[in-house]
Amino acid sequence: GDSVTQTEGLVTLTEGLPVMLNCTYQSTYSPFLFWYVQHLNEAPKLLLKSFTDNKRPEHQGFHATLHKSSSSFHLQKSSAQLSDSALYYCALRTGFASALTFGSGTKVIPCLP
Amino acid sequence: DPKIIQKPKYLVAVTGSEKILICEQYLGHNAMYWYRQSAKKPLEFMFSYSYQKLMDNQTASSRFQPQSSKKNHLDLQITALKPDDSATYFCASSPRDWGPETLYFGSGTRLTVL
Repeated sequence: GDSVTQTEGLVTLTEGLPVMLNCTYQSTYSPFLFWYVQHLNEAPKLLLKSFTDNKRPEHQGFHATLHKSSSSFHLQKSSAQLSDSALYYCALRTGFASALTFGSGTKVIPCLP
Repeated sequence: DPKIIQKPKYLVAVTGSEKILICEQYLGHNAMYWYRQSAKKPLEFMFSYSYQKLMDNQTASSRFQPQSSKKNHLDLQITALKPDDSATYFCASSPRDWGPETLYFGSGTRLTVL
């Protein structure tokens, strides 16, 4: 069946340094991949999405490239900000399915000195 | 103004009772969904509707019954409530129910079952 794996449950960020969140998926048909962000006590919101192999959508400094060969859609930001602290979900939809399947989420918190 | 309205924001119920969670969307979307978020299962798909027809149901229990009285309404009736049903229930919508469509989420109903 279709599934999404986010290996890190928790990632710490340091302001000004890069941050990367991993996402891999299993898909039986054409995959559509999404990253959603959920700030504390808010609803999830779309961050970016892709369904084209090797294209790199960007939003708010974040980018992710869909690599169908490795079934990956990792999220990256070259210079993190404290306001990026949130819960990040990778999500998958395949073919004509209506269900959007979410990964287990990665919580991003600031690395305090 | 919120485009997806969920009511109530907070709900406390006793075990065995029945509750209805309300959702209305004013985005003109044709597809609506229910998701559940708890500590055990972060964002779990429950139901999807398109043009008021059930498209997918991944909820094992028949205690959860979606109800669509109008195209922009999708309520969720939960019967025989159990403490395990405690979660935040999110309603969402999208222009259509497949492909690269973005889901827009409401602010959620936080249900606590005692």
